[in-house]
Amino acid sequence: KQEVTQIPAALSVPEGENLVLNCSFTDSAIYNLQWFRQDPGKGLTSLLLIQSSQREQTSGRLNASLDKSSGRSTLYIAASQPGDSATYLCAVRGGQGGSEKLVFGKGTKLTVNP
Amino acid sequence: DTAVSQTPKYLVTQMGNDKSIKCEQNLGHDTMYWYKQDSKKFLKIMFSYNNKELIINETVPNRFSPKSPDKAHLNLHINSLELGDSAVYFCASSGRDRGGEQYFGPGTRLTVT
Repeated sequence: KQEVTQIPAALSVPEGENLVLNCSFTDSAIYNLQWFRQDPGKGLTSLLLIQSSQREQTSGRLNASLDKSSGRSTLYIAASQPGDSATYLCAVRGGQGGSEKLVFGKGTKLTVNP
Repeated sequence: DTAVSQTPKYLVTQMGNDKSIKCEQNLGHDTMYWYKQDSKKFLKIMFSYNNKELIINETVPNRFSPKSPDKAHLNLHINSLELGDSAVYFCASSGRDRGGEQYFGPGTRLTVT
């Protein structure tokens, strides 16, 4: 059974700092991994999706890496801004063509202080 | 041009009632999902439909019955509501492109009193 863990559960940083959010998963036979952002009282916004054959994906100030063999992914946020404050969720999708469901971690709540 | 929409956004009801939540996506996706986010913010799959056929049912009580009239819609009907059903319910959809990237609706906050 796939389990996804995110560390830390909460993180508070000053504006402008570069930071890393961590995600680990127990079953390395994944199809892909997706990072989401959730603002309070809102839905999830997809940030980046990494296929199992890829090592990283970049979008603007965000860079996500994937080390499938060790069951780890990181989300790097450069030059953090107060608008980046949100909960960041990591989710993995099963291997072999992808069972359709995503298994989520419990998220990292990020606060960027002005 | 909302991609995945849900109605209602908020739902407050009493124990024992029956209620429905509706979901629509205009992305042309084949697969739709229902997720439940509990009070501890943990998000878990409930159901998945592909082209109107049920493909995932994660041991959800049979008081919950999803219905997909067409591939753009996936509704969730809940019978005999219980206090423990209080949560935020999210609908999502995915297609065959972009690695099956899932797109989420805004959520429906259900409160059972």
